[in-house]
Amino acid sequence: EDKVVQSPLSLVVHEGDTVTLNCSYEVTNFRSLLWYKQEKKAPTFLFMLTSSGIEKKSGRLSSILDKKELFSILNITATQTGDSAVYLCAVGGTSYGKLTFGQGTILTVHP
Amino acid sequence: DGGITQSPKYLFRKEGQNVTLSCEQNLNHDAMYWYRQDPGQGLRLIYYSQIVNDFQKGDIAEGYSVSREKKESFPLTVTSAQKNPTAFYLCASSIDLLGTGGRNIQYFGAGTRLSVL
Repeated sequence: EDKVVQSPLSLVVHEGDTVTLNCSYEVTNFRSLLWYKQEKKAPTFLFMLTSSGIEKKSGRLSSILDKKELFSILNITATQTGDSAVYLCAVGGTSYGKLTFGQGTILTVHP
Repeated sequence: DGGITQSPKYLFRKEGQNVTLSCEQNLNHDAMYWYRQDPGQGLRLIYYSQIVNDFQKGDIAEGYSVSREKKESFPLTVTSAQKNPTAFYLCASSIDLLGTGGRNIQYFGAGTRLSVL
């Protein structure tokens, strides 16, 4: 059975801090790992990673994948209150495009 | 304005009642999905559909049913057989099940929160 585990489950920081969110997985026939941000309702797509060692960046957010050790990290630098959200990690591992999601990390950024 | 529209935002179910959650997309995506989100458990797949008039069970299909009569629409019915329906339901779509080289980005609607009276 495919499994995705995120850590920590929750995190409280102050504006300006840097945070690292973790995602480890056990998936048959790995194809891709995706990060989503869920602020209130709809998860919004952040990154898709398919190859080890290639860092994806978007502004203050970056992510990298290690296919040998089966994990990914999402870094957020200089956090802002608008970064407060649930961050979801999902892995695509079967032929029909099913995503297996982790429990999510609740990030709270205080002013 | 392209996207995925779910309705209603909030829904209440009485004992023994079937309720239907709507999901419409204008992204011209072939594949659509229904997920259930419970606190601390992430998203779990209920049903998915690759094409009109075809759909498959996900990991937790018991107590749910779907139809796919139009490409744009994928309604979910929560039947009375679902004994614990209280949850947040998310609909998603993607270009197709395989994506590019099997890499599938799914896009989500804003969700429906279902509660039991």
